[in-house]
Parts: sequence; C-alpha cells; structure tokens
Amino acid sequence: AQTVTQSQPEMSVQEAETVTLSCTYDTSESDYYLFWYKQPPSRQMILVIRQEAYKQQNATENRFSVNFQKAAKSFSLKISDSQLGDAAMYFCAYRSVTQGGSEKLVFGKGMKLTVNP
Amino acid sequence: EADIYQTPRYLVIGTGKKITLECSQTMGHDKMYWYQQDPGMELHLIHYSYGVNSTEKGDLSSESTVSRIRTEHFPLTLESARPSHTSQYLCASSEYSPSGNTIYFGEGSWLTVV
Repeated sequence: AQTVTQSQPEMSVQEAETVTLSCTYDTSESDYYLFWYKQPPSRQMILVIRQEAYKQQNATENRFSVNFQKAAKSFSLKISDSQLGDAAMYFCAYRSVTQGGSEKLVFGKGMKLTVNP
Repeated sequence: EADIYQTPRYLVIGTGKKITLECSQTMGHDKMYWYQQDPGMELHLIHYSYGVNSTEKGDLSSESTVSRIRTEHFPLTLESARPSHTSQYLCASSEYSPSGNTIYFGEGSWLTVV
C-alpha cells in the first residue's frame, strides 16, 4: 500500500519570504500523480499543484512550485513571496489508480502553515 | 471554487440518532468520494462511487452507508450515530479520465455526536 509522510506538523514564514514544505511517499508503482492541497480554516480544500510522475519537469503554478525527486520519492512544495492568505493546512497526496479505474487519494497528515505579517 | 456542496456544514446530534449528510455536485462528474478527517489528521477514504448504482467501501472501515441513485447526488447515512463518529466528513468528485483528473472537494460536514 502507498503511504505519504509529512514529517513537519507546523511551520511559519514571514510575509514575502519563501518557505518549503516537505513530503515523502512510498510506492511500488512507476506511474502515479502527486498533489498538494490547501485547506484554509473552515473552508474548502483546494488543489494547489499537481505533478505527473512520468514528467521530469517540476510543476509550477504562479508562486507555487514543486521539487519532484522520483528516485528519492520526495515531493516538496515551495511557496515564494508568501502572503497572509497562504496560511492553511497543506496536505500532500498520492493518487493511486486501482483496478476498475477508481481514483483514490492517499493523504499525508498535513502541515499547518502560519504566515506572520 | 468547485461546484460541490455539502449540507449540513455543522451538526450536533445525540447518540442513537439517524443522520444523513448530503453531497451534491453540478459538474456532471462520474466519480464521487467520502473522506473522513479527524482534527489535525489526514483524510481517510471511507466510500467511493464510479457512477450511478455503483458504491464501494474505502480504505477506512466505516459504519456509514452511501447511495448513488443520481449522478449529482451522493448522500452518506449513519443509522445510529455514536460519539466515535464525531469527525469531519468531506465529499469529493472527479470526472473520468484514463490520464487522471483533479479531485474537487466540498467544504465538509462537521459532525459531533454527544
């Protein structure tokens, strides 16, 4: 079974600074998807960025970028120019495709990011 | 934000009561999911559905049941709630694609059983 590990339960960053959130995973599959989701307090969980395992190029979305190291099974998220609205729980997730085509996400335990003004 | 809605958002009920958490999506997605999330913890899949009349148990055992009579609707029911069912329940959906698609989440239903 696949597992996702986020070893840092909490982090803080100063507004406008850069922060990196770490994530490692374990799988025997060669093709899969990785995601970072953001969950603001009492609000909807939304997708921040996704990475296809077969792509060597790291995904980027505006201020968000990933460092995907397939051999090391590492998938870190870098947030540049941090903003107060970035404060949230961040979850790393692995998408496993089972037989029959069902798409199931395996989540890490999450990391609480605080942005200080 | 995605067009997926959950009601109620917050519910406090007594032990032994029957409750249904509603989930609807207007995106026409085939696949829908229910995740359970305890405070500060990861999400665990408890139910999923490929489409109408299709439901499967997830990775985490749950005493809840689900139904999928219409594409847009995926309610979750607890016949007799217990304090151990206190948690947040997140509904999600995605469209079918062999290459994989993003899963969209609702805002969650916070259930407290007293």
